[in-house]
Amino acid sequence: QVQLQESGPGLVKPSETLSLTCAVSGGSISSYYWSWIRQPPGKGLEWIGYISYSGSTNYNPSLNSRVTISVDTSKKHFSLKLTSVTAADTAVYYCARDSTRTVAAAGFDYWGQGTLVTVSS
Amino acid sequence: DIQMTQSPSTLSASVGDRVTITCRASQSISSWLAWYQQKPGKAPNLLIYKASRLESGVPSRFSGSGSGTEFTLTISSLQPDDFATYYCQQYNSYPYTFGQGTKLEIK
Repeated sequence: QVQLQESGPGLVKPSETLSLTCAVSGGSISSYYWSWIRQPPGKGLEWIGYISYSGSTNYNPSLNSRVTISVDTSKKHFSLKLTSVTAADTAVYYCARDSTRTVAAAGFDYWGQGTLVTVSS
Repeated sequence: DIQMTQSPSTLSASVGDRVTITCRASQSISSWLAWYQQKPGKAPNLLIYKASRLESGVPSRFSGSGSGTEFTLTISSLQPDDFATYYCQQYNSYPYTFGQGTKLEIK
């Protein structure tokens, strides 16, 4: 059973960089894309971007200039960096396995439990 | 970006009811649509993909239909565990986008 676990600081100061890591266990990190998705408190879901096992990326243009997603296949984890954060970036951040581009063309079929990141001084 | 609009935003229903949630896309997305269920404090859970395919382990009372711009999620007989928020999501083109959610409440 694939499991994902987010980790990182729960509090980030305005203008600083938000950094999160997602550890993948119970399955291979290869052959899949891996996405970050966020959800502001009480609001809906926003896709942030993906990285493939080979390192190709695609980001949401609404965040494009501030986002970097990277992968370390040897450690079976992938990471998110979001620069110049403001209060609007306060959200629960989820990592998810992105099966949209597999043969099955399924959706986000495995998710981490989510981690709340608050942007505040 | 493709806009996804769900209706209704809130739905009140009783155990045993048949309910339908609608999701409309601002342009054709073929069948590249997924449905998720989210309970408070939990991550979303994939129910349906490719508009009508049931994810493994999801009860058969859930079904999806539609193509192009209009899609529906139907729960044939509501169970107590089904009261949650439901989201549709398109994966026809980037950036992937979600509907605003439909909260299914107990009447």
